Amino acid sequence: NAGVTQTPKFRVLKTGQSMTLLCAQDMNHEYMYWYRQDPGMGLRLIHYSVGEGTTAKGEVPDGYNVSRLKKQNFLLGLESAAPSQTSVYFCASTERLGTVNQPQHFGDGTRLSIL
Amino acid sequence: AQSVTQLGSHVSVSEGALVLLRCNYSSSVPPYLFWYVQYPNQGLQLLLKYTTGATLVKGINGFEAEFKKSETSFHLTKPSAHMSDAAEYFCAVTDNSGGSNYKLTFGKGTLLTVNP
Repeated sequence: NAGVTQTPKFRVLKTGQSMTLLCAQDMNHEYMYWYRQDPGMGLRLIHYSVGEGTTAKGEVPDGYNVSRLKKQNFLLGLESAAPSQTSVYFCASTERLGTVNQPQHFGDGTRLSIL
Repeated sequence: AQSVTQLGSHVSVSEGALVLLRCNYSSSVPPYLFWYVQYPNQGLQLLLKYTTGATLVKGINGFEAEFKKSETSFHLTKPSAHMSDAAEYFCAVTDNSGGSNYKLTFGKGTLLTVNP
């Protein structure tokens, strides 16, 4: 059972380059999320999706775009990378909620450095 | 907006000592509460959660937390620390006042060091 898989695990970019981070989950979860983790800042929500074909902005969406064309995949794009986007990026997913909140399941992260 | 405060960005204990990690939240409606643990170079794993019912919640690895509405707190404890408990711990809350209870707000984290 793979759970949440993030690709790549590590990447170095130059300022201005673009790239896409891929998140795939095999749990048939409705909700998916992208966070960034910076020292002393905890996790901050970038974008999220409540179902296939939907996306919404989180707390820190500027400079990022997302797409959810398939239920199992959630892509995070950086169109023009900036050094301020150097971070560890985590993807998470969770089931459609009923009366009890479900925990989010996390991938192992993508370490991204922008030079 | 929801906010979560974790007192102490770094807590150091001796092996066998009590672990106490503090979490306070701000919310007009009692939220759902979670503690996650992150080991080096890994993602976050759920330790325990409070949704409704009993306010003392037991989780994995001997951890437990108590929801105290009057104090808006959800502190994490473990009676006896083990070396393997060294990690970063995050408190998180949702807002279940309606419409957005699928988003989590995280605290900034507490790094737990266990000394031999």
